[in-house]
Amino acid sequence: GAGVSQSPRYKVAKRGQDVALRCDPISGHVSLFWYQQALGQGPEFLTYFQNEAQLDKSGLPSDRFFAERPEGSVSTLKIQRTQQEDSAVYLCASSSRSATSAVGPSSYEQYFGPGTRLTVT
Amino acid sequence: AQTVTQSQPEMSVQEAETVTLSCTYDTSESDYYLFWYKQPPSRQMILVIRQEAYKQQNATENRFSVNFQKAAKSFSLKISDSQLGDAAMYFCAYRRNSGNTPLVFGKGTRLSVIA
Repeated sequence: GAGVSQSPRYKVAKRGQDVALRCDPISGHVSLFWYQQALGQGPEFLTYFQNEAQLDKSGLPSDRFFAERPEGSVSTLKIQRTQQEDSAVYLCASSSRSATSAVGPSSYEQYFGPGTRLTVT
Repeated sequence: AQTVTQSQPEMSVQEAETVTLSCTYDTSESDYYLFWYKQPPSRQMILVIRQEAYKQQNATENRFSVNFQKAAKSFSLKISDSQLGDAAMYFCAYRRNSGNTPLVFGKGTRLSVIA
């Protein structure tokens, strides 16, 4: 597709349920980021992939959060035993260059998807 | 740790007028990028303008320009000839220039445009 897509756009989960959020990056983009955006706040970094390797997961708030990108394209963010504080918009972004590339700044531009709004009741 | 502060939760501007959104940041790095993103109700984050810290010249993109004051760690966005379509949340963001690093965002400013 032409841009980053995410599904579902909206998800309502009962507290304690597991959820899986999907991100389809722009074709060929090496890098993929997940961000969490709470209501009225700016996005906060969760985790980063370069191809299938998860290079940084320092932003994941707890061990209930797990992300994978097994084939280096589509990524899934999984939240186990959801809590009310997990309610947020989850944004995915992809960019075309790897961490080791030396091309100019626009190569690292992150293109965002429309996000998944998760509501935990 | 790097932080980004937007002190104006809400701003409004008359159509065709000019508005300035403020942003300050804190970092010990000397090499970084700064961004302004627009987020309409559709939630799609759209890049408005980018500034490289090593460049003294302020970036401009059509009606959008920035005032980058590196010593003061200030990065404001000026929107000229405001249009109804400019109404959105605006986020200031920072990224360290060390490969492909994550963005650090401020809390945002909600801009309303009055017809």
